[in-house]
Amino acid sequence: AQSVTQLGSHVSVSEGALVLLRCNYSSSVPPYLFWYVQYPNQGLQLLLKYTSAATLVKGINGFEAEFKKSETSFHLTKPSAHMSDAAEYFCAVRDSSYKLIFGSGTRLLVRP
Amino acid sequence: DSGVTQTPKHLITATGQRVTLRCSPRSGDLSVYWYQQSLDQGLQFLIQYYNGEERAKGNILERFSAQQFPDLHSELNLSSLELGDSALYFCASSVVPRTGDYGYTFGSGTRLTVV
Repeated sequence: AQSVTQLGSHVSVSEGALVLLRCNYSSSVPPYLFWYVQYPNQGLQLLLKYTSAATLVKGINGFEAEFKKSETSFHLTKPSAHMSDAAEYFCAVRDSSYKLIFGSGTRLLVRP
Repeated sequence: DSGVTQTPKHLITATGQRVTLRCSPRSGDLSVYWYQQSLDQGLQFLIQYYNGEERAKGNILERFSAQQFPDLHSELNLSSLELGDSALYFCASSVVPRTGDYGYTFGSGTRLTVV
């Protein structure tokens, strides 16, 4: 069965600092992995997805993630945090029935 | 606008009551997925439909049921509501299963408050 684990329920960074949100996956087959962002009182917006093409995936709003099979990781990064990045971020893996299995989420706080 | 429409956006109802949440998928998407988001449980998969047929079931309570209609819209019915059913209910749609397309689009959700 597929699953994802997000390390750190809360991450706090200063504006302009590197953002690193961690996600580790478990999958018995080559995984399809996703990062979604949820702003307060809003739905889920796709940031980026890995579908077995390039291991470094670029997404919207300057975010990118690198698929590392040896580490079973798919960490999300952004070189310079902006105040508008404050939100909750979810990592997800597609399972064998094509539904998404989500991690528990990481709330990103950006300090001025 | 993501293309997935959920109605209503907010719903306040009393314990013991029954409500229906509606989802219209993005044009061309055949699969619909329902998720429940609560503070203590996170994002939990409830049920999936593909072209009118149930494809997968998650941790969906027996008091909850869903269906997908011929026009592909879906409804989630919640009955005998309890305080613990208060949550944000999301619908998502996708064109899978179809090799090569892995887009999942989420609606803005229905916030259910049971009082």
